[in-house]
Amino acid sequence: DAMVIQNPRYQVTQFGKPVTLSCSQTLNHNVMYWYQQKSSQAPKLLFHYYDKDFNNEADTPDNFQSRRPNTSFCFLDIRSPGLGDAAMYLCATSRRDPYEQYFGPGTRLTVT
Amino acid sequence: QKEVEQNSGPLSVPEGAIASLNCTYSDRGSQSFFWYRQYSGKSPELIMSIYSNGDKEDGRFTAQLNKASQYVSLLIRDSQPSDSATYLCAVIAGAQKLVFGQGTRLTINP
Repeated sequence: DAMVIQNPRYQVTQFGKPVTLSCSQTLNHNVMYWYQQKSSQAPKLLFHYYDKDFNNEADTPDNFQSRRPNTSFCFLDIRSPGLGDAAMYLCATSRRDPYEQYFGPGTRLTVT
Repeated sequence: QKEVEQNSGPLSVPEGAIASLNCTYSDRGSQSFFWYRQYSGKSPELIMSIYSNGDKEDGRFTAQLNKASQYVSLLIRDSQPSDSATYLCAVIAGAQKLVFGQGTRLTINP
């Protein structure tokens, strides 16, 4: 089945210790997105890629970086996680048109 | 004014009844509208998309769109306890980005 896969599903890191979250897709979608979702809040867009074109949201902290080495994979790097970065991180993909977005299962990040 | 507004609930509906979820949006140029279901601790799941005025039915779900009133709704017929979740309304706004409402928490009571 075509799908969006995220690894790991749960990640515990220490304050200030870099962490990388990964996302892969078998849907062959052009667009990939990274969202942060905190409890009882809507998902908040961090970045998205149209193919290899990177788009950064204006309010995404510099602490967050992203890489998309090929169509199938995308990575979220958090350079120095703070306690406030504890959240669910969601990867999503879509075609260019229509922009129906399909989410992976998410990675729950805990910062100790 | 928020770009996409939903009543946060909780909305409590008896099993077998119709659950009605509502959403308004501010960008009159929006063309694409979606409903996502999110169970606690899980990721959002796309359940309906609608692009033109009127109703769109898929099984027990009906999405309704009224662009003149900037209003989109989701009806769930014959509600089941498994429908208990948070429902997120989402709209494609400028720059082709998805803008979410805060979500409505729905509880179906057996």
